Parts: sequence; structure tokens; C-alpha cells
Amino acid sequence: AQSVAQPEDQVNVAEGNPLTVKCTYSVSGNPYLFWYVQYPNRGLQFLLKYITGDNLVKGSYGFEAEFNKSQTSFHLKKPSALVSDSALYFCAVRDDTGANNLFFGTGTRLTVIP
Amino acid sequence: GAGVSQSPRYKVAKRGQDVALRCDPISGHVSLFWYQQALGQGPEFLTYFQNEAQLDKSGLPSDRFFAERPEGSVSTLKIQRTQQEDSAVYLCASSALRSGANVLTFGAGSRLTVL
Repeated sequence: AQSVAQPEDQVNVAEGNPLTVKCTYSVSGNPYLFWYVQYPNRGLQFLLKYITGDNLVKGSYGFEAEFNKSQTSFHLKKPSALVSDSALYFCAVRDDTGANNLFFGTGTRLTVIP
Repeated sequence: GAGVSQSPRYKVAKRGQDVALRCDPISGHVSLFWYQQALGQGPEFLTYFQNEAQLDKSGLPSDRFFAERPEGSVSTLKIQRTQQEDSAVYLCASSALRSGANVLTFGAGSRLTVL
């Protein structure tokens, strides 16, 4: 069975400060991990993914995420938050056993305070 | 097209009415997915097509939900005899390859409100 947990419904951070949005996962095989961002009245936009290789993945808009196999985590990070980063962030997982659907977490609302 | 297009963007239906939601995936994309996103929740998988074949419909919540992709491009999600609990945003996504590592590109969604 596959599942994703995003333990924080809401994260607030001051503009210019580093941000972290947490994600842990559970899969049967090896994980394929994704972060998506959702702005109001818009679809999900892809930020970055981990498939294999380097545990630190860099993505769009200065975001990065670190894959930690022992902690089954894939936290999203950014060194310096912008007000425009305020949005809903979703972590998602698929495994490598052939399942096609992507399992999403419940989302974390990030608010960057000017 | 340049992206995944969904129509209508907003649909209000009276309980008991049938609705049809359309998805135009990115041209040439083999895989197509439908997800349901309730208010305040993450997207939940409904069904998956590879070309015209519906390979997985395990997420469809009841037999009132039906999806098709007859020519392997445009897809329609149909909900019969709508109920209030069907109110949600229905998201369509497509990807070029069958690989599980591939990125899904999402449409803006169709927001269904059942009164």
C-alpha cells in the first residue's frame, strides 16, 4: 500500500527566511516522489521529483527537496521564502512495482508573511 | 495543445442530474488520469487510461461514475444521478510515457457543485 503524510496543515514563514514543508511516505517498492504546488483556481504545477540518484533534488523556483530513505521523508525546502511562494503544496508518491496512480498527501498551506 | 484543457470550469447541478466533464490532454500523451479533489483535501485517484484502454478504475466511488477515452485522446468523465457528496473539483492529468517516473501535467480542473 502507498500513502503520504503531510503533518502540517499550515506553515507560516517570514519573507526571506528559509522554509520547510514536511512529507513522509510509505510504499511497497522503491519510491518515486513528487512535489506539486497549487495556486487558487489553478491546477497542480510540478515542482520537482526524486526517482533515483542524488538525495538532494533541485526544482523550479529555487525549491529543493531531500530524500531520506531511513526516515522515509521527502521534505521540501527553500533557502529564502518569497511572498509569491504562498500557495498549497502537495507531496505525492508512486512506487516502482508498476502501479500507475500517484498518491497525494492532504496538502500544506504555506503563507509567507511580508 | 500547450496544456491540459478541461471543460466546463464550473458546473452547478441539481441533485439527480447527470453531468459530463471533458478533458483534452496534451497532444500525443499516452496516459490520462482523473482525480477528485474535495475541499481541503488532496487529489484522490479515480481512474487511469493508457491510450483508449481503461487500465485502472479502482478509484471510482460508485457505479454512477463512468469514464471513457474512445479514441485515445479526449476523455469524458460522466456522473449519473449526482449527489451532494459528488461536489468537488475534478482534475485531469496526462503524461507522455507509461513510466511511473513520469511527471503528470494537470488541467485547471472542473469544479462541480451539486445542490
